[in-house]
Amino acid sequence: DAGITQSPRHKVTETGTPVTLRCHQTENHRYMYWYRQDPGHGLRLIHYSYGVKDTDKGEVSDGYSVSRSKTEDFLLTLESATSSQTSVYFCAISGGTTGRGGSTGELFFGEGSRLTVL
Amino acid sequence: QKEVEQNSGPLSVPEGAIASLNCTYSDRGSQSFFWYRQYSGKSPELIMFIYSNGDKEDGRFTAQLNKASQYVSLLIRDSQPSDSATYLCAVNLAGTYKYIFGTGTRLKVLA
Repeated sequence: DAGITQSPRHKVTETGTPVTLRCHQTENHRYMYWYRQDPGHGLRLIHYSYGVKDTDKGEVSDGYSVSRSKTEDFLLTLESATSSQTSVYFCAISGGTTGRGGSTGELFFGEGSRLTVL
Repeated sequence: QKEVEQNSGPLSVPEGAIASLNCTYSDRGSQSFFWYRQYSGKSPELIMFIYSNGDKEDGRFTAQLNKASQYVSLLIRDSQPSDSATYLCAVNLAGTYKYIFGTGTRLKVLA
């Protein structure tokens, strides 16, 4: 199994409070991703990173920011949480596309972080 | 907005039958396609990837890709109750590091 750890695994917070979710990997993979999963919407990409300090927006980035100061850590921050951000958040990593160190480009997922915003 | 479409199901098949799961995508330039399985309350896990037109087999699973029709499918032979899960189709968007997912098809294998 890919070494991906998400923390916290469960969090309940109140509207308007800041929240930070952490993704830590031990695989030295270049690419890291944050998705949210909601019933009826599947997995939606929030932000992703293609290297230290290199990040870009996904489909549903409004209200979220990310940072990657080290290869192994990718942080997702909700500056002021809202009830619409209640979701399960998954971190994923990838070694890149075919040919780069033998990686076939698939994503490996962490265990997920369940966030409830009251 | 690039999209991946899947029928949400549930798709119910009897044990031992072939389950056929389908996925269409809108990004004509996409080259990499993935099938994930997700059990309730768990994270997605990779079943197969496919890059070339045609069929790719791995045990009881066969992925089929038709780039002209922008269509990917997953066949599960000899379906088992343990195959009951949600199956997610994912596409790596051409020229990007982004992967987008369909909403998933829930499969129920009836014993």
